[in-house]
Amino acid sequence: GIQVEQSPPDLILQEGANSTLRCNFSDSVNNLQWFHQNPWGQLINLFYIPSGTKQNGRLSATTVATERYSLLYISSSQTTDSGVYFCAVDAGGTSYGKLTFGQGTILTVHP
Amino acid sequence: DVKVTQSSRYLVKRTGEKVFLECVQDMDHENMFWYRQDPGLGLRLIYFSYDVKMKEKGDIPEGYSVSREKKERFSLILESASTNQTSMYLCASRQGNKNIQYFGAGTRLSVL
Repeated sequence: GIQVEQSPPDLILQEGANSTLRCNFSDSVNNLQWFHQNPWGQLINLFYIPSGTKQNGRLSATTVATERYSLLYISSSQTTDSGVYFCAVDAGGTSYGKLTFGQGTILTVHP
Repeated sequence: DVKVTQSSRYLVKRTGEKVFLECVQDMDHENMFWYRQDPGLGLRLIYFSYDVKMKEKGDIPEGYSVSREKKERFSLILESASTNQTSMYLCASRQGNKNIQYFGAGTRLSVL
C-alpha cells in the first residue's frame, strides 16, 4: 500500500515563529488532506489539497503531486497552534476514500 | 456544518467484555470509517462502510467487527475486549462523490 512519511516528528517553537511541515508519499494520490488534532483529540480539517497551493489565514499548503510531497506552512505561530498535524492520502481507484495517515508532527508553541 | 458524533468520550472496560462504540453522522454521507490512533503510529483504518449493510476490512480488522443498519449510524464492536485494544478510536464520514473526511471527537477506550 501507499506509504506516508511526515517530518519532523517533533517541533518546538516560540510564539511568533514560522514553520514548515513536510509530507512525502510513495504513490500518486487523488486526495491529500492536512489535519490538526487539538489537545482534546478532535481532528480538524485544515486543507484538502491533492495539488496546487491554498491559503487560509496564517496557514498555507502546497502539494507538488509530480514529486509526491506536500508542505504545510504555519506563519506567526500561536500557542493555540499546538497539537499534532497529520497528513493523509487516498490513492483513489476503488478505495472508497480510505485515508492512509502519516505518523504526525507534534507541534509545541511556547508563549 | 457536518457533525459526526461519537457516543462516548471515555470508556473503561474489563478484559473479555463485549464493547460497542457508536458513531452517528447527520449529513447523509455514504461512506463511514473507523480508525484507531496509537502513539507513534498515526491513525490506522479498522473497517469502513460504503453503504448501508456494506462493509470492508481496513488494515487492522482483527478482533473487531462493525454494523451499519442505518445510513447515519456506524458501530464498532469489540467482541471480547483485550488490553491491546486500549486506544483512541476515531470515526469519520464522507460523502461518496467528495473527498473530504470529517471526524468525530474520538473515544478513549481503556481495557483493564
